[in-house]
Amino acid sequence: DVKVTQSSRYLVKRTGEKVFLECVQDMDHENMFWYRQDPGLGLRLIYFSYDVKMKEKGDIPEGYSVSREKKERFSLILESASTNQTSMYLCASSFGGARARDYEQYFGPGTRLTVT
Amino acid sequence: DQQVKQNSPSLSVQEGRISILNCDYTNSMFDYFLWYKKYPAEGPTFLISISSIKDKNEDGRFTVFLNKSAKHLSLHIVPSQPGDSAVYFCAASYYAGNNRKLIWGLGTSLGVNP
Repeated sequence: DVKVTQSSRYLVKRTGEKVFLECVQDMDHENMFWYRQDPGLGLRLIYFSYDVKMKEKGDIPEGYSVSREKKERFSLILESASTNQTSMYLCASSFGGARARDYEQYFGPGTRLTVT
Repeated sequence: DQQVKQNSPSLSVQEGRISILNCDYTNSMFDYFLWYKKYPAEGPTFLISISSIKDKNEDGRFTVFLNKSAKHLSLHIVPSQPGDSAVYFCAASYYAGNNRKLIWGLGTSLGVNP
């Protein structure tokens, strides 16, 4: 079974704090993704990575950065948290390289981040 | 501009009846379509997929129908159960260069009443 884990289920931070969200997958997936989910807005892609040390901006990268130093780990960083970054953050992973079922993304349980 | 649209934000169905969730798309390059289910405070879980060369895929109570000429797909749940109450996301996949992209709809919240 694919397992994607996220470092925290719930997190409360103050405005201006630096926030680290970590994601680890155990399926040797090449691709990893960070989304945020807000009511009525669906899943919005923040950043993704197709390989170690590679990253690409998604649809809403402003205010975020990422790090992928190891294949299994993908970190999302909020450099200076703001109240409009209060959201559910979801990490996902998938196979790359035109492999079978490479279209399927596997999700972690999510981190509910509240910025006060 | 949204490439994948779920026009119904919510749907309410009686237990035992059929639930039909709809999804429209605009990009002819999509080659796979997926449905995900999401409970509150959990990550989405994969439910069922369909290749663009098929018109139907069935898995237990869940069936997805694809109408390519209309650029429309639907998820049928028969019979609906209270545990099916969740948000359902439609997603469509295509290759952009060497890598896959997944485009998401905004979701439909399904409520199944006992």
